Amino acid sequence: GENVEQHPSTLSVQEGDSAVIKCTYSDSASNYFPWYKQELGKGPQLIIDIRSNVGEKKDQRIAVTLNKTAKHFSLHITETQPEDSAVYFCAAIDTGNQFYFGTGTSLTVIP
Amino acid sequence: KAGVTQTPRYLIKTRGQQVTLSCSPISGHRSVSWYQQTPGQGLQFLFEYFSETQRNKGNFPGRFSGRQFSNSRSEMNVSTLELGDSALYLCASSLVRGNNSPLHFGNGTRLTVT
Repeated sequence: GENVEQHPSTLSVQEGDSAVIKCTYSDSASNYFPWYKQELGKGPQLIIDIRSNVGEKKDQRIAVTLNKTAKHFSLHITETQPEDSAVYFCAAIDTGNQFYFGTGTSLTVIP
Repeated sequence: KAGVTQTPRYLIKTRGQQVTLSCSPISGHRSVSWYQQTPGQGLQFLFEYFSETQRNKGNFPGRFSGRQFSNSRSEMNVSTLELGDSALYLCASSLVRGNNSPLHFGNGTRLTVT
């Protein structure tokens, strides 16, 4: 099956700075990579996703990049705000339609 | 459109008991997946149901089981509870299976086994 690794496990940034979270995957056949944000007491919420036929996707302050050759993808958050503080998970789907999640990154934005 | 609804939000059970958790997917969604979330293990896949049939199963013992009804609502059951079963159980629904349909999560059921 797929194996997704996520780094770093914790990340602290000053408000207004950028944050980058990186994930690697093992199955070269994986072709869909969503990112989720989980706030305290809530379930993960989809914030952005990318498919393997695209190298980059942006949505306002959030962007995701994908390098299929190296089998890694990254989440970029620019101009961070305190409300960006949460746990972020990357995921990949394998050919059996099963999602595999990274172990999460706890992001703290310091005002 | 209402999101994924999980009931109850909190449960406290005693070791050896059994428990049933419920999940109502987003209207029109036909696939329901269950995940166990713990601080040390992250999100661990339990099983996926589509059209009332289990399509995928994670690496959990047979004490964990589930089912899906004709209206796509799903339940999961854990029998003979162990202390290690304490976790947040998340249900996620998707319109169809696969990479054309992202997962939408509920807020989970927090199970504490004493």
